[in-house]
Amino acid sequence: LAKTTQPISMDSYEGQEVNITCSHNNIATNDYITWYQQFPSQGPRFIIQGYKTKVTNEVASLFIPADRKSSTLSLPRVSLSDTAVYYCLVGGGDFNKFYFGSGTKLNVKP
Amino acid sequence: NAGVTQTPKFRVLKTGQSMTLLCAQDMNHEYMYWYRQDPGMGLRLIHYSVGEGTTAKGEVPDGYNVSRLKKQNFLLGLESAAPSQTSVYFCASSYRSGSPEQFFGPGTRLTVL
Repeated sequence: LAKTTQPISMDSYEGQEVNITCSHNNIATNDYITWYQQFPSQGPRFIIQGYKTKVTNEVASLFIPADRKSSTLSLPRVSLSDTAVYYCLVGGGDFNKFYFGSGTKLNVKP
Repeated sequence: NAGVTQTPKFRVLKTGQSMTLLCAQDMNHEYMYWYRQDPGMGLRLIHYSVGEGTTAKGEVPDGYNVSRLKKQNFLLGLESAAPSQTSVYFCASSYRSGSPEQFFGPGTRLTVL
């Protein structure tokens, strides 16, 4: 499973756009890039997934450059309720298994 | 649909005791997984199953056993609990085909004294 590197923590203010970048130099051809959100005392929750280029849903956007060695999760206009840990995962091609790194703890301030 | 459920939510064991954690999913998923999460860390895969009657080792399988006798259930067993197994345990499931998204349960907080 390819490992990922992402910032340990980030601070933001309500209403701002937040971009979290993840590095995954050893991504395999059949790997997907997936982002999960986790609140304290809860299981991770799927946010968005992509293979290449850009993916957008009602919650976030995911930008993936052509070489796929990194990806950026973009959260538009964050609110206090977006305070959570965000995990960048690479994998899925091998029985849908993923490697969870330590994640990025996002702290949204009023 | 209940999604993925886990039983129990909390448990305290003494060293050497045994217990079984139950995970159930009602989404007809083929794949199921058990993870552990230690404070301030990401999730680590313990065991997983790609179908009824099959299991495989993950990243940290030592000290745990699993069984998948029914498609909807995935059991995680601790035969002789150790303090190092104090953790939060998460179960997840996913479809075999299509988007490789995993759906997680609410977790079981286990303390081994």
